[in-house]
Amino acid sequence: DTGVSQDPRHKITKRGQNVTFRCDPISEHNRLYWYRQTLGQGPEFLTYFQNEAQLEKSRLLSDRFSAERPKGSFSTLEIQRTEQGDSAMYLCASSQGRGSETQYFGPGTRLLVL
Amino acid sequence: GENVEQHPSTLSVQEGDSAVIKCTYSDSASNYFPWYKQELGKRPQLIIDIRSNVGEKKDQRIAVTLNKTAKHFSLHITETQPEDSAVYFCAARRPNAGNMLTFGGGTRLMVKP
Repeated sequence: DTGVSQDPRHKITKRGQNVTFRCDPISEHNRLYWYRQTLGQGPEFLTYFQNEAQLEKSRLLSDRFSAERPKGSFSTLEIQRTEQGDSAMYLCASSQGRGSETQYFGPGTRLLVL
Repeated sequence: GENVEQHPSTLSVQEGDSAVIKCTYSDSASNYFPWYKQELGKRPQLIIDIRSNVGEKKDQRIAVTLNKTAKHFSLHITETQPEDSAVYFCAARRPNAGNMLTFGGGTRLMVKP
């Protein structure tokens, strides 16, 4: 499968624990995005990388959230001290850049905070 | 920032009928408008997109129209089939805003056989 992949697909954690998600974009896509989707809603933008540089962060991204893309390939999203309100689907997308705007989404990581 | 409103939230049609979903956006600078289809438990998949220099685009049974003056765009699906049943999301992108997409709230389309 040459599409965007995410790991894990599901995560159940207790309130206060830290969690980390991974996203592998389509090969040679230099742009990578994280979105959050709650039930019945459209995806909401969290953050955006061009290569390894984090260029944009939403106000939704509190200081408990951090994202990295250390070598400009895969990315990680970490949530510290999880809260029940963090329960959602976390979607990763990638795009080629260089005039191609299409964002291709991964299958998402569904997080449940108990 | 950008705000995208989508209507209706649910739409039920008979197989073979047409379906129309409408979106409005707030920022006149937005220049790219994709539509995604999301089946239950699956990833959003792009079905069609349109750029602001084009008024209409068609791909087989799917078409999108854009009215820049009124700041609204619509998805048209003709000859609907049961496999068209899914949640559809419109989105808008502002240039120089990190390429982020702002999504509408979604439309659940149900095609009855």
